[in-house]
Formats: sequence, structure tokens, C-alpha cells
Amino acid sequence: DAGVTQTPRHEVAEKGQTIILKCEPVSGHNDLFWYRQTKIQGLELLSYFRSKSLMEDGGAFKDRFKAEMLNSSFSTLKIQPTEPKDSAVYLCASSHPGLGGRAEQFFGPGTRLTVL
Amino acid sequence: GQGVEQPDNLMSVEGTFARVNCTYSTSGFNGLSWYQQREGHAPVFLSYVVLDGLKDSGHFSTFLSRSNGYSYLLLTELQIKDSASYLCAVFMPNYNVLYFGSGTKLTVEP
Repeated sequence: DAGVTQTPRHEVAEKGQTIILKCEPVSGHNDLFWYRQTKIQGLELLSYFRSKSLMEDGGAFKDRFKAEMLNSSFSTLKIQPTEPKDSAVYLCASSHPGLGGRAEQFFGPGTRLTVL
Repeated sequence: GQGVEQPDNLMSVEGTFARVNCTYSTSGFNGLSWYQQREGHAPVFLSYVVLDGLKDSGHFSTFLSRSNGYSYLLLTELQIKDSASYLCAVFMPNYNVLYFGSGTKLTVEP
């Protein structure tokens, strides 16, 4: 079974650019999560989809961050426009439905974004 | 975030044990998960606890006290390869999402 895949693994962007990060969840998982990870803030939830429906849009991240899930096997996270403070590792995770299942999330390798 | 707190760093010695603490003060609680994250890698699930008390899973054990908002991850017979960050995450009932602490970096010395 393939795990969660993310592309690209590294991205370098100029301030003001638009970038799109991609994620493929584990086959059969109904829940998909996008996180941002920095040393200072740790893991912050950006978006949460359940069966392709957006359940949580990350509050403070709504302004320039937009996650979409057009089908059950693919999701994107768009950052527009990028700012240097967006430099971080962006992690995608998926999980089975059900109470216990959602507590066990399978993470992708992440995309390391650097905004100059 | 969301009132989940962990110490930044912890050091211990190979062959002994380490206890990674986590306290939480969240508005709602359905359970607590522990993850291991090695440098440059994604978090990996270790354990999920819902009930009070000690859950012994061999090398990794977890303890939960819901009334005190406290959990710990206990690693026994430490190996150098246990050096990693350990993240606790509270499972919130309203949105069915996990809120992570910032993680504790465990360093195991020879």
C-alpha cells in the first residue's frame, strides 16, 4: 500500500508568487489534513476534509491559503500570494473514518517551502 | 497550540528510561495521541489513549489523567535511535481534529 505522497518535496518561491502543493492520501482514507510546521509554532492545522467536504479551514490561514479536494485521491494547497513568513514545512496527512481512526494520522514526507 | 504544552528538550542515557510530559487545557477532549518525529521526517503515530491510567505497550507506554489534563509517554530501555521529537496531540470532539503540542526533543546519549 502506498502511503501519503506529496509533491514537490522542495519549493523555492519569490515573495508574491502563487504556489500549489499537492497531496495524495492513502487509498481508502476519508479524512485529509493539511498542516504547517515550523520550529517556533510547531504543527498548525490549515485545513481538514472529510469525504472531500471542507470541515475546518484553519481560521487565521483563510486569507491567502486555499485547500481543495476535487476527488477522494487528490488535494491541493494554494498559497497566494506567498510571503517570507510562509517558509515552513507543509505536511499532508490522512486517516480512516471513526473516532479512533482519526486520532491515527498517516503523514506524507512534506514539502519544504522557502519564500525569498 | 490550543493549550497543549510540552517541554522543549529532554536528555537521557542509553539503557535507561525517559518520560515525556504533556499537559493540556483544551475546551473538549476525546483522547490523546502520541507521535514520534525524527529530524527531517514526518510524524509517525505511536499511541492513542482515552482511558485514565497506564497503557503498557512494551518499549513505549502511555499514561493519562483526564482530571489533571496530563499525559506522559514513557520510553524504556532507551536506544540511541530513540532520539527524536515526541509530539502529543489532543483529539477534539467538535471538529474531529488533533491539536498538537510543539513537541519534546529527546536526546539519548551513550
